[in-house]
Amino acid sequence: AQSVTQPDIHITVSEGASLELRCNYSYGATPYLFWYVQSPGQGLQLLLKYFSGDTLVQGIKGFEAEFKRSQSSFNLRKPSVHWSDAAEYFCAVAPTGTASKLTFGTGTRLQVTL
Amino acid sequence: DGGITQSPKYLFRKEGQNVTLSCEQNLNHDAMYWYRQDPGQGLRLIYYSQIVNDFQKGDIAEGYSVSREKKESFPLTVTSAQKNPTAFYLCASRWVGQNYGYTFGSGTRLTVV
Repeated sequence: AQSVTQPDIHITVSEGASLELRCNYSYGATPYLFWYVQSPGQGLQLLLKYFSGDTLVQGIKGFEAEFKRSQSSFNLRKPSVHWSDAAEYFCAVAPTGTASKLTFGTGTRLQVTL
Repeated sequence: DGGITQSPKYLFRKEGQNVTLSCEQNLNHDAMYWYRQDPGQGLRLIYYSQIVNDFQKGDIAEGYSVSREKKESFPLTVTSAQKNPTAFYLCASRWVGQNYGYTFGSGTRLTVV
């Protein structure tokens, strides 16, 4: 069965600092990969996704993620964090071909200090 | 604007009562999903439906039921058999067969007292 690991439950960064959120997956083949962001009490917003091709994916709000097949990782990065980026971030995977079921990691809560 | 509407946003029920959460989408999406979110556990799939009048159990279907009589609607019933129903419930949808991310509703927080 596919699984997703987000090893960092909570991360605190200063505004303007760089950010990297880690995501590792376990799956028989290369799955479809997603990053979502959730503000408190809200639904999830898609930041970016990887299906194939270029392993560096650009998303909304200045985020990017890099797929590394050898490490089964899909880490999310941002060069300079803004206070409004404080939220919970979820990595998710889905089977290739149909993306029929998303499996989520447990999430990383990002706190931004001013 | 197209989107997914979940109602109500907050719901309180007494223990032992069934309760139905609404999810409506006007995106013309084929597939719809229900996820449960608990602190520190991410989102777990309850049920999903890829076409009208058909649905499948997810990872934690026990104590829940769904119906899909219309393409745009996928209500979730939390029954009295669900041992720990207090949670945040999220509905999502997508086009089947297309490589797009899922669209999520804004969620319903259910509290059972």
